[in-house]
Amino acid sequence: AIRITQSPSSLSASTGDRVTITCRASQGISSYLAWYQQKPGKAPKLLIYAASTLQSGVPSRFSGSGSGTDFTLTISCLQSEDFATYYCQQYYSYLLTFGGGTKVEIK
Amino acid sequence: QVQLVESGGGLVKPGGSLRLSCAASGFTFSDYYMSWIRQAPGKGLEWVSYISSSSSYTNYADSVKGRFTISRDNAKNSLYLQMNSLRAEDTAVYYCASTNSSGWYGYWGQGTLVTVSS
Repeated sequence: AIRITQSPSSLSASTGDRVTITCRASQGISSYLAWYQQKPGKAPKLLIYAASTLQSGVPSRFSGSGSGTDFTLTISCLQSEDFATYYCQQYYSYLLTFGGGTKVEIK
Repeated sequence: QVQLVESGGGLVKPGGSLRLSCAASGFTFSDYYMSWIRQAPGKGLEWVSYISSSSSYTNYADSVKGRFTISRDNAKNSLYLQMNSLRAEDTAVYYCASTNSSGWYGYWGQGTLVTVSS
């Protein structure tokens, strides 16, 4: 199975900060990567698919980039509602896998 | 609006069985691939299984292969997960989620908790 290494596992940031989260795949996955946001007690919410395509209704402060093995989720100006855990997921392989998650906490 | 509602979770002893259901509404269920994705308490997400729109294809994570069976009834807009030989490590919230066959999941249910304990 393709392994996805997500980093950092957690970070502290302030409202207004620029935040970057990375995912590295154990083999090339082209652009078959999605990003999700999850808040405590809630289901994950799709933010980005195809590495850089913003899901409808998701604020433009979220952006994704990368292809092959290295990917990035950027939140350009962190808002209070963005404090949550973020996951990446590859769908290149029929055995789908997720990164371990990044918890974004208030500094 | 799209709704996915899971049910069937609960407490079961190791070695026991449980059947989860997911009722779908607000979209053409028969056009979508469906998956079960789980999350152990305090842990990350783990894909469990998916089924194609017509039930022609299914796939399973190695951790559940041979013990879990995914199925669907398009006439009832429902997805199922039969879980046998349950282990403590199967304890998790189980989510059903839909994809248009691309592999990313645009819609998720609220989850149902399965606890495997003696």
